[in-house]
Amino acid sequence: EPEVTQTPSHQVTQMGQEVILRCVPISNHLYFYWYRQILGQKVEFLVSFYNNEISEKSEIFDDQFSVERPDGSNFTLKIRSTKLEDSAMYFCASRRAAGTDTQYFGPGTRLTVL
Amino acid sequence: EDKVVQSPLSLVVHEGDTVTLNCSYEVTNFRSLLWYKQEKKAPTFLFMLTSSGIEKKSGRLSSILDKKELFSILNITATQTGDSAIYLCAEPADRGSTLGRLYFGRGTQLTVWP
Repeated sequence: EPEVTQTPSHQVTQMGQEVILRCVPISNHLYFYWYRQILGQKVEFLVSFYNNEISEKSEIFDDQFSVERPDGSNFTLKIRSTKLEDSAMYFCASRRAAGTDTQYFGPGTRLTVL
Repeated sequence: EDKVVQSPLSLVVHEGDTVTLNCSYEVTNFRSLLWYKQEKKAPTFLFMLTSSGIEKKSGRLSSILDKKELFSILNITATQTGDSAIYLCAEPADRGSTLGRLYFGRGTQLTVWP
């Protein structure tokens, strides 16, 4: 069964450094998302991406964040200058088409900012 | 203000017990309600309830949607230790949007003791 994959599973970085989190969505899906979950808190939406552009972003997704789909399979989240409060689990999700709401989530990347 | 409210926040039962998890939601233009199971990492999809599908069942798990009272329940019968997880309820952005961001509740942490 196709699934969303993410790499790395765990990333440790120093405050101020740039990180890139990688995702490979399910191959015939058209909508892509990033969510994050700070330890002990709820899953929060960051950004959605469709047709090679950002379609919606939350107030969390400020200028430090960017997303890209550099080729036909990868979907990346870049944090330009990490802060301590960026430490969280980052989930990528994908959705097949506009007619369904079901999103399928990847295993997540745990980002630790020291 | 939370769009999706789950209760209880945690629940401890013994194997064989039946549990009922609750989710209440807001609605501007109802689309659907989704249930996910989160074990160690990624939320895995369980059910999607819509206006045309207000009851779903899969094995020992079942879910019902009450559109009038704006809540859903997830039932698990004959619980097993493998059911221990956080159960998440999520509502997509309203019908006017095809972009699909999900609003999650805080989840119910279910622990099943042998």
